[in-house]
Amino acid sequence: GENVEQHPSTLSVQEGDSAVIKCTYSDSASNYFPWYKQELGKGPQLIIDIRSNVGEKKDQRIAVTLNKTAKHFSLHITETQPEDSAVYFCAAGSNFGNEKLTFGTGTRLTIIP
Amino acid sequence: DADVTQTPRNRITKTGKRIMLECSQTKGHDRMYWYRQDPGLGLQLIYYSFDVKDINKGEISDGYSVSRQAQAKFSLSLESAIPNQTALYFCATSNGASRDNEQFFGPGTRLTVL
Repeated sequence: GENVEQHPSTLSVQEGDSAVIKCTYSDSASNYFPWYKQELGKGPQLIIDIRSNVGEKKDQRIAVTLNKTAKHFSLHITETQPEDSAVYFCAAGSNFGNEKLTFGTGTRLTIIP
Repeated sequence: DADVTQTPRNRITKTGKRIMLECSQTKGHDRMYWYRQDPGLGLQLIYYSFDVKDINKGEISDGYSVSRQAQAKFSLSLESAIPNQTALYFCATSNGASRDNEQFFGPGTRLTVL
């Protein structure tokens, strides 16, 4: 089955700086890569996703890049703000048939004011 | 109102007790999932259901069972709870007819087994 590794497990950055979280996956059949943000006391919420037919996707201050050859994808947050402090999860899955997601172990991001 | 609700939100129980966690959704989604979250381990899939008559085991189904009573309801049972089942449990839903695979999560149930 799919195996997703996520690094780092914790990350602290100064407000206004950029943050990068990296994930690798093992199953070459995976073609859908979402990122979820989990705020304290809440369930995870999708913030951005990318499919294997594109290499990069942006939405305001967040972007995701995908390298299918190397089987890794990354989340980039620019101009970080205090409200970006949360736990972030990457995931990998397929949109053919049995669409389960395999999640990474999470990154706790702290923005230092 | 929340689209995906979970009851109870917090539960403390004793070893050997049977416990049921319930999940309801008003999103009209056909697919529902139960995950377990432990510190440092991320989200692990326990069971999932793609429609009312479909139940599938996930990565860590041992010690758990589920029931899909209706399209909107998916419950998770621990027949005889043990301390290492202490964790945060999340229910999620998705729309199988959509090109998007987005899963929508409930607020979670914090379960403590003494």
